[in-house]
Amino acid sequence: AQTVTQSQPEMSVQEAETVTLSCTYDTSENNYYLFWYKQPPSRQMILVIRQEAYKQQNATENRFSVNFQKAAKSFSLKISDSQLGDTAMYFCAFTTWETSGSRLTFGEGTQLTVNP
Amino acid sequence: NAGVMQNPRHLVRRRGQEARLRCSPMKGHSHVYWYRQLPEEGLKFMVYLQKENIIDESGMPKERFSAEFPKEGPSILRIQQVVRGDSAAYFCASSPRSAGNTIYFGEGSWLTVV
Repeated sequence: AQTVTQSQPEMSVQEAETVTLSCTYDTSENNYYLFWYKQPPSRQMILVIRQEAYKQQNATENRFSVNFQKAAKSFSLKISDSQLGDTAMYFCAFTTWETSGSRLTFGEGTQLTVNP
Repeated sequence: NAGVMQNPRHLVRRRGQEARLRCSPMKGHSHVYWYRQLPEEGLKFMVYLQKENIIDESGMPKERFSAEFPKEGPSILRIQQVVRGDSAAYFCASSPRSAGNTIYFGEGSWLTVV
């Protein structure tokens, strides 16, 4: 069974600074996908970034980037130039390459607060 | 992800009543997933459906819960004889195909059992 662990229940950062959220996972699969989702106070689940395990290059989306360490099974999210709107719960998620579906396994989340 | 439509957004039911949650996937998406988020917890997979088929229901409680995705119309998650422990946010998600495609979520349906 796959597991996803987010060891930081809460984090805070000052506006305009950089913060890194940690995520580790456990799997015996070789082909899989990793995601970071954001859940703001509105409770909507918003995709932040996605990484394919077969790609060595770390994914980047504007101010969001990941540090994907496949051997260490680590998938951290870096938020640069933090903005107040980044305040949210962040979930790391994992799915394997399966022909029968793409169910996600989520971590327990990290509550990020961006302070003015 | 705004394309996944869920209704109602908020639903209040008394213990013992039935709750029906609806989900219309994004245009072009034929795969639907339901997840549940209990208070202060992460999302947990419940069921994965394609049109007229339940593909994986390993996350569904054995009793009172059922899901369908008919040939026409939205996917429906049905909870019979609700109990207070069913109070949660229920998220629907969809994807165009299986095998690792990005899953897009709806805005969730909040069920409160009183």
